[in-house]
Amino acid sequence: EDQVTQSPEALRLQEGESSSLNCSYTVSGLRGLFWYRQDPGKGPEFLFTLYSAGEEKEKERLKATLTKKESFLHITAPKPEDSATYLCAVQGTQGGSEKLVFGKGTKLTVNP
Amino acid sequence: DVKVTQSSRYLVKRTGEKVFLECVQDMDHENMFWYRQDPGLGLRLIYFSYDVKMKEKGDIPEGYSVSREKKERFSLILESASTNQTSMYLCASNENSGANVLTFGAGSRLTVL
Repeated sequence: EDQVTQSPEALRLQEGESSSLNCSYTVSGLRGLFWYRQDPGKGPEFLFTLYSAGEEKEKERLKATLTKKESFLHITAPKPEDSATYLCAVQGTQGGSEKLVFGKGTKLTVNP
Repeated sequence: DVKVTQSSRYLVKRTGEKVFLECVQDMDHENMFWYRQDPGLGLRLIYFSYDVKMKEKGDIPEGYSVSREKKERFSLILESASTNQTSMYLCASNENSGANVLTFGAGSRLTVL
């Protein structure tokens, strides 16, 4: 069974204080690993897809990396508007491969 | 701009009522999904559909049913609402090939009294 564990559950940073969020996963065969951002009361918004170990993707202050067991979302010099819950999900290649399995998320708060 | 539209953002229903949550996508996506999201539990898949009139149970289908009569529309039905179905419900869709990004709706917050 595919599983995703995100840590920490919550993270408070000062503006400009860089950090990383972790997503550990087990999957029978990885089709893709996804990062989403979710603001309160809204649906998740897509950030990145990673397909294979060693891959990296960047968008503004965010950089996602992938190994065979985990993914990191690095946040460089965060701003208050980066405050949100960040969700990680995996899609496997085995039965029911249309499904994504989500982690519980990391709630990030960036204080000015 | 592509969209997944959930018709009701906020609903308040009474125990035992029949509840319909509607979702429409304009991207011609084959796959559509219903998730519920609860604090501490994350997103859990209720049902999904990979084609018109086709449906598959997700991880927590009990107490729910779905309907997909047209490709663009996927409905979630609570036959007899209960208080433990109070939650945020999220509809999503994607294409049926490779690792495809889910596009989510804004969510429907349901309160069952």
